[in-house]
Amino acid sequence: AQSVTQLDSQVPVFEEAPVELRCNYSSSVSVYLFWYVQYPNQGLQLLLKYLSGSTLVKGINGFEAEFNKSQTSFHLRKPSVHISDTAEYFCAVKPGGSYIPTFGRGTSLIVHP
Amino acid sequence: DAGITQSPRYKITETGRQVTLMCHQTWSHSYMFWYRQDLGHGLRLIYYSAAADITDKGEVPDGYVVSRSKTENFPLTLESATRSQTSVYFCASTGQANTGELFFGEGSRLTVL
Repeated sequence: AQSVTQLDSQVPVFEEAPVELRCNYSSSVSVYLFWYVQYPNQGLQLLLKYLSGSTLVKGINGFEAEFNKSQTSFHLRKPSVHISDTAEYFCAVKPGGSYIPTFGRGTSLIVHP
Repeated sequence: DAGITQSPRYKITETGRQVTLMCHQTWSHSYMFWYRQDLGHGLRLIYYSAAADITDKGEVPDGYVVSRSKTENFPLTLESATRSQTSVYFCASTGQANTGELFFGEGSRLTVL
């Protein structure tokens, strides 16, 4: 069964600093990768996804992620965070041939002024 | 407005009572999911459905029942609520099996006293 590990449960950072949220998954022949964001008292919404092609994927709100097949990772980055980026971030993986995603446990990004 | 809606948004009930959480989507998506979100556990899949009249158990199905007589509706019933079912419940849908992202409702916060 597929597993997804988000290595940090909480990441505190100061405003305008860069941030990286880490995500590793168990190996699979082919996978589709997603990052979702959850703002307080809301549902999850898609930040970005990797399906194929370029390993660097750009998403909304200035976020990007890099797919690394050899390291089975899909880390999320932003060069300069804003207070409004404070939220819970979830990495999700869909193995090829399955429509059921597996989610990581989430990383709480806390941006301090 | 088109989208995915959950009701009620907030519910307080007592142990032993039956509770139904409603989920309605307007996209005619084939695939629908129910998750619960608890601190320290992230999102856990309760039930999922590939089409009307096709449902299957997820990771934590005990104590829950679902039905899907129409494509757009996917209600979740707690037959006899327990305190351990106090949680935030999210419904989600997708129209594309492998590559599609999930679209989430805003959640239903259930408290069982």
